[in-house]
Amino acid sequence: AQTVTQSQPEMSVQEAETVTLSCTYDTSESDYYLFWYKQPPSRQMILVIRQEAYKQQNATENRFSVNFQKAAKSFSLKISDSQLGDAAMYFCAYRMVDNYGQNFVFGPGTRLSVLP
Amino acid sequence: EAQVTQNPRYLITVTGKKLTVTCSQNMNHEYMSWYRQDPGLGLRQIYYSMNVEVTDKGDVPEGYKVSRKEKRNFPLILESPSPNQTSLYFCASRFGQGQGYTFGSGTRLTVV
Repeated sequence: AQTVTQSQPEMSVQEAETVTLSCTYDTSESDYYLFWYKQPPSRQMILVIRQEAYKQQNATENRFSVNFQKAAKSFSLKISDSQLGDAAMYFCAYRMVDNYGQNFVFGPGTRLSVLP
Repeated sequence: EAQVTQNPRYLITVTGKKLTVTCSQNMNHEYMSWYRQDPGLGLRQIYYSMNVEVTDKGDVPEGYKVSRKEKRNFPLILESPSPNQTSLYFCASRFGQGQGYTFGSGTRLTVV
């Protein structure tokens, strides 16, 4: 079974600085999708960024970018120019590509604090 | 506005009293799913549905039921809630295989 690990339960970053959240996963599949979700105190789950495993290029969404290392099964999230509104729980998620599977596998989350 | 609507947002109930958490999406998504979120465990899938009348168990289905009679609705039913079902529940939907889920705003359930 696939597993997703986020080894940093909590992290903090100074406002305007850059922070990287780590995520590793375990799979025997060659094609899959990876996601980062943000959960602010409002508890709404918000999709931050998405990566397709067959694409070499790292995904980028404004201040958010990923470092996807397929061989190492690593999918870290970099937040540049951190803002107070970035404070949230961040979940890494994996999804296999097939016709039937539905399951997103989520990591346990990393709580990010942004210090003014 | 495209969204997933789940109700109620908060619910306190007693052990054994049947309850239903409703979920509705207005995006014509085929895929819908229920998750529970517990501290340190992330989100775990309870049930999912690929289309009307097609549902299947996720990782933690015990104690839950679902139905998908219409494409837009996917209610979660707890026939006899127990305290270990106290959790934060999310309904989610998506369109295609590679798409991320759109989540509802969550239901905080407490079973006493």
